[in-house]
Amino acid sequence: AQRVTQPEKLLSVFKGAPVELKCNYSYSGSPELFWYVQYSRQRLQLLLRHISRESIKGFTADLNKGETSFHLKKPFAQEEDSAMYYCALSGSSNTGKLIFGQGTTLQVKP
Amino acid sequence: DADVTQTPRNRITKTGKRIMLECSQTKGHDRMYWYRQDPGLGLRLIYYSFDVKDINKGEISDGYSVSRQAQAKFSLSLESAIPNQTALYFCATSDWTGGDGYTFGSGTRLTVV
Repeated sequence: AQRVTQPEKLLSVFKGAPVELKCNYSYSGSPELFWYVQYSRQRLQLLLRHISRESIKGFTADLNKGETSFHLKKPFAQEEDSAMYYCALSGSSNTGKLIFGQGTTLQVKP
Repeated sequence: DADVTQTPRNRITKTGKRIMLECSQTKGHDRMYWYRQDPGLGLRLIYYSFDVKDINKGEISDGYSVSRQAQAKFSLSLESAIPNQTALYFCATSDWTGGDGYTFGSGTRLTVV
């Protein structure tokens, strides 16, 4: 079965602390992984995708096929990073459909 | 103007009523999707359409129907609303590969009383 798991509903850190939002997936083929962010009362926005290997707003994520993980990391959290983060999976057998995880709320305290 | 527009933004309706949520896009994308967002459950796919003549059920299609009136328009209907359909509904679009990710609308907050 295709599944995305984000084990933490809430992650609370202090400003300047490192952040790691966990994402694990289950997929038999070659996956495409994404991170989406939803700031308060705003629409979901694409944050980054593994295929482009980019860093957006200081966030990075590496696809680890051995551990079937795609954790989102940032070395120094900022208050404006507080938001809901969703990990999502797409693959050839999905024909482009995205499967989302349950989401993790990141709270960055001053 | 937003690329993906959803109407209404908020709606309160009574149990048993029929309600339609509308989505229009200016991205020129063929693919459109309807998701619902519930706390602790993330986003779940209701229906999706890969072109005007292609409609497919998602993981939670029961109690919902859709209409793809044109490439740019994709409507979601609740034939007889029930309280557990209270949720935030999102429309999204993507190009044919999906590789650039989705563009989401602002959402419709639906309350069924």
